[in-house]
Amino acid sequence: EVQIVESGGGLVQPGGSLRLSCEASGFPFSNYWMSWVRQAPGKGLECVAMISQDGSQGYYVDSVKGRFTISRDNAKNSMFLQLNNLRVDDTGVYYCAGEPRALAYWGQGALVTVSS
Amino acid sequence: DVVMTQSPLSLPVTLGQPASISCRSSQSLVYSDGNTYLTWFQQRPGQSPRRLIYQVSNRDSGVPDRFSGSGSGTDFTLKISRVEAEDGGIYYCLQGTHWPFSFGQGTKLEIK
Repeated sequence: EVQIVESGGGLVQPGGSLRLSCEASGFPFSNYWMSWVRQAPGKGLECVAMISQDGSQGYYVDSVKGRFTISRDNAKNSMFLQLNNLRVDDTGVYYCAGEPRALAYWGQGALVTVSS
Repeated sequence: DVVMTQSPLSLPVTLGQPASISCRSSQSLVYSDGNTYLTWFQQRPGQSPRRLIYQVSNRDSGVPDRFSGSGSGTDFTLKISRVEAEDGGIYYCLQGTHWPFSFGQGTKLEIK
């Protein structure tokens, strides 16, 4: 059974930082591109970043470029998202998801709240 | 960036009746490998999205066969042959062909 568990969410002030983690099991993690998808409260879904199987390639949506960094540790079946210089409009649930082109697998999400 | 436009945004449907959701993309979704990366999801309140259909028309394991996907190029449709009570929620289409990958705005299906 596929399981994806996110952690690291919380309340942070504008300009602050957070590091989200995602641990996966039940599928060959190192064979899959992985991604982060976010959902602002009461809003739709947005693909934020994705990373290649070996971690050598990362892609970002324009609104987070230069502020967010995606990485992974295949030995630990884990992926990370470093969020810096956070803004109020970064608030939302951040989902770890596998296979970015078709998002086969999802976690339960981690809530990030940016507020003063 | 590719814009995904869903219609309708709200869809009240009587139990047992069919439902249809349209998703149109601003560019062709045919990828260089020949595949079309158009995916459909259902999201129930308080839950993560659940994938229903991938590559236009392939139903995921465990998804009832009353759900079907069709289309090509820039024009796609999700159909539910006979709506059941558990089908309520918000439905999203996703294009995974052109980065940044993008979702439609969502269609809220309400069971009457």
